[in-house]
Amino acid sequence: TQLLEQSPQFLSIQEGENLTVYCNSSSVFSSLQWYRQEPGEGPVLLVTVVTGGEVKKLKRLTFQFGDARKDSSLHITAAQPGDTGLYLCAGPFYGQNFVFGPGTRLSVLP
Amino acid sequence: SQTIHQWPATLVQPVGSPLSLECTVEGTSNPNLYWYRQAAGRGLQLLFYSVGIGQISSEVPQNLSASRPQDRQFILSSKKLLLSDSGFYLCAWRQERGIASTDTQYFGPGTRLTVL
Repeated sequence: TQLLEQSPQFLSIQEGENLTVYCNSSSVFSSLQWYRQEPGEGPVLLVTVVTGGEVKKLKRLTFQFGDARKDSSLHITAAQPGDTGLYLCAGPFYGQNFVFGPGTRLSVLP
Repeated sequence: SQTIHQWPATLVQPVGSPLSLECTVEGTSNPNLYWYRQAAGRGLQLLFYSVGIGQISSEVPQNLSASRPQDRQFILSSKKLLLSDSGFYLCAWRQERGIASTDTQYFGPGTRLTVL
């Protein structure tokens, strides 16, 4: 059983469309991180959300942390082909460790 | 600024051969270091983590081992590789800001290992 679930697993959209991907857990997290990973490269940190209900914006990306700190969402406005990649959410678990979700693979077609 | 290096970038090894992957971090001291394995296009599985020199914690029983001979060096090894060891291996370091809820991991570029 995954501690962090992500949905959808795969998403293919046309350039210019909007999309939302989700990260959910039955456990409370002190923070959640979102990463984007391109093929053959390491994940790159996009944002860390800490406060329940927090909303952070990074250009066309909007991240929200649920009020109960059990879930998070990533919304992309007017997606571009450069947004293509694997989106991973992660959170600290048992002090020294992080747990990762299985990821959402996004493909933005030109 | 901090940087993290991994080598080699790609590796093809026969079954039963030994393995040594290296990870080094620059620009920070006493980082927490991590080894992950990632199946094709999927999430990350934590293999080992280290909070200091010579201190290794294993998360998954397997034929891999890890060592931390220096503060900013983390090595992943195997005496005899299995086919199932193929995958994308990522090293990460953790930035501690003194507030656990905002700690963040930063990843290296990864090593693609193929065992034939």
